[in-house]
Amino acid sequence: DAMVIQNPRYQVTQFGKPVTLSCSQTLNHNVMYWYQQKSSQAPKLLFHYYDKDFNNEADTPDNFQSRRPNTSFCFLDIRSPGLGDAAMYLCATSRAGGGARETQYFGPGTRLLVL
Amino acid sequence: AQKITQTQPGMFVQEKEAVTLDCTYDTSDPSYGLFWYKQPSSGEMIFLIYQGSYDQQNATEGRYSLNFQKARKSANLVISASQLGDSAMYFCAMREEGTGNQFYFGTGTSLTVIP
Repeated sequence: DAMVIQNPRYQVTQFGKPVTLSCSQTLNHNVMYWYQQKSSQAPKLLFHYYDKDFNNEADTPDNFQSRRPNTSFCFLDIRSPGLGDAAMYLCATSRAGGGARETQYFGPGTRLLVL
Repeated sequence: AQKITQTQPGMFVQEKEAVTLDCTYDTSDPSYGLFWYKQPSSGEMIFLIYQGSYDQQNATEGRYSLNFQKARKSANLVISASQLGDSAMYFCAMREEGTGNQFYFGTGTSLTVIP
C-alpha cells in the first residue's frame, strides 16, 4: 500500500545533541510537510517543500532545519534540541496541482523525548 | 482572526448514539476545501472526510457526514452510531486555493465514547 513512513517512531535524545528524524513516502506526492505537535494541541507547521522549493514558516526556530534529497525522502534536523522541543513530529504529504481538494496524508509520527 | 475554530474542547457520547462536532471557518477565497481528521492516542492523523466549497451536497463517508452550511461558514462533522473506537481527537482543517499548499487546523475536539 502507498503510504507515509516515519522513522524512528520514538526517539530519545539528550539536551543539545543533534537529532534527525526521517520521513519517506510512496505516494509520489510533490508536497511534503513537517509539523510539530505538543500534547492536546493542534499540529503546528514548521515548513514544507513543494518539489525542491523550501517554504519555512516565519516562527519556526533556526534550530530546525530540513532536507529533501529527492521526491520520496524528507528529513527534519534539530541542531540543538531543548526540553521545549519534546513533542510529536508529524510528516505529511499532499499533491499540488489538484487545487484545494487535495488532502494531506500523514505518517505515524515520531515522538521525541529530550533528556 | 482564526481560520478554523473548534469551540468544543471535549465531547462525550453514548455508544451507538450520534454526535456532532462543530467547526467554523473564515476565508475570503471562493475556492477552498474543508477536511476532518481523526487522531487516536497512537498519534497518527487519519483523513476522514472532505467537503469542497463548490460542492452542492453534503459529503458522506460511511458513518461520517458533513453538515456544510456555506452561508454560516460552518462544516460540522456528524458521526452516526458511535463506537468505542471513535474515541479520539478530531481536527477540522481548511485548504484555500489561493494559498496553495497551506493547511489551517483548528484546536481539535476530544471525543470520548461511553459504553
